[in-house]
Amino acid sequence: GIQVEQSPPDLILQEGANSTLRCNFSDSVNNLQWFHQNPWGQLINLFYIPSGTKQNGRLSATTVATERYSLLYISSSQTTDSGVYFCAVMNTGNQFYFGTGTSLTVIP
Amino acid sequence: EAQVTQNPRYLITVTGKKLTVTCSQNMNHEYMSWYRQDPGLGLRQIYYSMNVEVTDKGDVPEGYKVSRKEKRNFPLILESPSPNQTSLYFCASRRTGPYEQYFGPGTRLTVT
Repeated sequence: GIQVEQSPPDLILQEGANSTLRCNFSDSVNNLQWFHQNPWGQLINLFYIPSGTKQNGRLSATTVATERYSLLYISSSQTTDSGVYFCAVMNTGNQFYFGTGTSLTVIP
Repeated sequence: EAQVTQNPRYLITVTGKKLTVTCSQNMNHEYMSWYRQDPGLGLRQIYYSMNVEVTDKGDVPEGYKVSRKEKRNFPLILESPSPNQTSLYFCASRRTGPYEQYFGPGTRLTVT
């Protein structure tokens, strides 16, 4: 299967700070998504981004498929951004693989 | 409202007692999937289905069964649950092709 590595594993930020989360994957992928798991366990779609760059408010993401990585940018972080951020990829056989996540804590 | 629903949301059971976790989606998605989430391991795919009557094993299928008799439903069956199946389970669905996956709210299962 595809190996998905996320970094850093843990991140503590002061409210208002910016951050970059990274996702490396070991093989070609047909699908890449970023999710936020909130403290109640809900998985919330952030971006579907197999390639290119997208922005949604304070969040943006970039995937460079040829170099097998994706980045999630969070600007002007808020306490509600706390939680775990997951990257998930799909191989050509329609199987999905998740990274182990980045746990983000934003302190006021 | 477009959504993926799972039932039950919480379940405590005993070793060996068969159980079924239901999953339903109202978006007419072809692809459905089950995952388990364990601390430090992220989410791992158990089974997935490309369409009705088509199912395939994911990374961790041992101890689980699935069926896809209708497009909207994809139940997860544990015929003889064991304590190592204590976990948080998620169902998800998506359209076939370059589309994102949508997740249900999760089912927290404890097997004693």
